[in-house]
Amino acid sequence: QVQLQESGPGLVKPSGTLSLTCAVSGGSITSPNWWSWVRQPPGKGLEWIAEIYYTGGTNSNPSLRSRVTISVDKSKNHFSLKLSSVTAADTAVYYCARINSYQYYSMDVWGQGTTVTVSS
Amino acid sequence: EIVLTQSPGTLSLSPGERATLSCRASQSVSSNYLAWYLQKPGQAPRLLIYGASSRATGIPDRFSGSGSGTDFTLTVSRLEPEDFAVYYCQQYGTPPGTFGQGTKVEIK
Repeated sequence: QVQLQESGPGLVKPSGTLSLTCAVSGGSITSPNWWSWVRQPPGKGLEWIAEIYYTGGTNSNPSLRSRVTISVDKSKNHFSLKLSSVTAADTAVYYCARINSYQYYSMDVWGQGTTVTVSS
Repeated sequence: EIVLTQSPGTLSLSPGERATLSCRASQSVSSNYLAWYLQKPGQAPRLLIYGASSRATGIPDRFSGSGSGTDFTLTVSRLEPEDFAVYYCQQYGTPPGTFGQGTKVEIK
C-alpha cells in the first residue's frame, strides 16, 4: 500500500525559504492521483497549501500562491514544496497527502507530518 | 472560496452514545465533493467519508455521512473509546479545497 514520508529542515529562519520533500513508497507518483501539501499551525485547524499532478499541473491556495512552489520528480518518486519569505505564522506541522481521483478527490493517504518552526 | 462552518465546536458525550456533527458550506459543494476526517492528538488526519456518504477503506459502519448542497452531516451511531477526537470536513468541489474548523468530540 502507498505510504508517504515528509522530510526537511525542522527550523527555518524568518524571511528564508521552507523546503520539504514527500517520498512516495508502495506505489508510483505517476498514478492518476494528485499529490498535496496541508499544514496545521499549533493548536489550530488544517489548511490546504497546494497540489500537483505528475504531468506538472498544479493548483495552490490563493492566500499562499505568491510564495509557493510545488514540484514533482518522477525519477525519485517524490514531490516537493518550497515556501518563500516565511514568518512565524508559517510555523506548523506540514503534511503531504494523496488526493484520490477515484474517491471524489479526497485525501486518502497521509504522511505522518513534519514540524517546521520559523525562528531566528 | 467556499467557507465550511462546523458545529458544534465541542461535543461532550459518553461511550455508546450517538454523535451528530454538522458541516455547512457558504455555497453549494459541487457533486458532493465533501469528505470527513478524524484526527487524534499527534497524528495525521484519517479519511472517514468521501463523496459525502461513502465510507473509506477499513472504516467501521458506525460512521455514516449524509447531505448535499450546503448541508452535510457525519453521524457516529455508537461512540467507541477510540472515536473521541477532532473531526474535520473538507470540500474539493471548488478550488481552493477548504477545511472546516473542526468539531472536538470529548468524553463526558
